Amino acid sequence: DIQMTQSPSSLSASVGDRVTITCRASQNIINFLNWYQQKPGKAPEVIVYIASHLQDGVPARFSGSGSGTDFTLTINSLQPEDFATYYCQQSYSSPQTFGPGTRLEIK
Amino acid sequence: QVQLQESGPGLVKPSGTLSLTCAVSGASISSSHWWSWVRQSPGRGLEWIGEIYHTGSTKYNPSLESRVTISVDKSKRQFFLTLSAVTAADTAIYFCARVSYLPNIPAKNYLHPWGQGILVTVSS
Repeated sequence: DIQMTQSPSSLSASVGDRVTITCRASQNIINFLNWYQQKPGKAPEVIVYIASHLQDGVPARFSGSGSGTDFTLTINSLQPEDFATYYCQQSYSSPQTFGPGTRLEIK
Repeated sequence: QVQLQESGPGLVKPSGTLSLTCAVSGASISSSHWWSWVRQSPGRGLEWIGEIYHTGSTKYNPSLESRVTISVDKSKRQFFLTLSAVTAADTAIYFCARVSYLPNIPAKNYLHPWGQGILVTVSS
């Protein structure tokens, strides 16, 4: 199985900040990398798919980049509704696997 | 708007069988999409269980394959998860989701949308 790691595991930031979350795959996954946002008590929701495609309805302050094994999710000008847990997921090979998550908290 | 809704028992006894249903609305289950099950627990994080196509073709996570069956009922717009010989380690929130993909590139896929999830506890 492809192992996914994320850093940091948690992050404190303020409204208006710019934050970057990193995801690393244990082998080359080309750009088969998706990012999900999960709020307490809710299901994960895709925000960026195939490394850099912004899901419909997701604000443009979110962006994704990367290829191969290293990927980033960037959130510009954090808003109160952005405080959540973020997961990366590879869909390059089966079984698809998820990262352990990055919890974004309000400072 | 595609919506998915999980249902089933919230409590299953150890060594028993977990059975869940995912009802699909707003889309045909016979469309060119696979339909997936994912679970989430504090100890294991998010774990992909498997998925099914409307023809009945399935893919399973090897870690669960010996205990998992996913099936579909097109007439009811439902697909199902069965997990046998459960233990406390199978206690989790279970989600169903549609496998979406880039236009004409099904290999480049992601999970969207998801159901709200259902908590299943394995306990006597």
